Amino acid sequence: EIVLTQFPGTLSLSPGERATLSCRASQSVSSSYLAWYQQKPGQAPRLLIHGASTRATGIPDRFSGSGSGTDFTLTISRLEPEDFAVYYCHQYGGSPWTFGQGTKVEIK
Amino acid sequence: QVQLVQSGAEVKKPGASVKVSCKASGYNFNTHAINWVRQAPGQGLEWMGWISGYNGNTNYAQKFQGRLTMTTDTSTTTAYMELRSLRSDDTAVYYCARLLRGTFDYWGQGTLVTVSS
Repeated sequence: EIVLTQFPGTLSLSPGERATLSCRASQSVSSSYLAWYQQKPGQAPRLLIHGASTRATGIPDRFSGSGSGTDFTLTISRLEPEDFAVYYCHQYGGSPWTFGQGTKVEIK
Repeated sequence: QVQLVQSGAEVKKPGASVKVSCKASGYNFNTHAINWVRQAPGQGLEWMGWISGYNGNTNYAQKFQGRLTMTTDTSTTTAYMELRSLRSDDTAVYYCARLLRGTFDYWGQGTLVTVSS
């Protein structure tokens, strides 16, 4: 099983600042089958990024993904008030599919 | 528009079974698998498995083998997830999600299953 470790656990930032979230895999994720989701309290997750760097339909361009192999990054270039949430990475290259434990982006 | 609408909250006793439904609309049900993902209170996401909307083939996470059954009814475009021999640590919100190239592009609203004596 591929274990995904996200860091930091919590990121305290102000609106307008840049957020950098990391996701490290215990083994290489094949073909960059790595996605990112955003989840707000009481809501289902929302797909942001797939294939490590491709934005999903309707996702603003302030969200970007990068990385390959075992190290992946989600960057939010300028935080908007609606971006404060929990973010999960997810690998779908190895079975079983797994998620990271999440990074909470909170208002400083 | 694509929608996945799940059945309502359930309270079950340990050892019982639960069956959650997920009604799909707004797309061709045959062309996408439905996944089930759960989230224990205050915890992260856990993938449980998927079922093909085309032929009913399934792929379950090994953790749930023997306790989990996913089915579909193509006539009503509804997917079902049944979990048996419930334990207290099965208490969670259960989500269905449409599969697109390995990712989950549309999600249901979630169904809270509480296991308590």
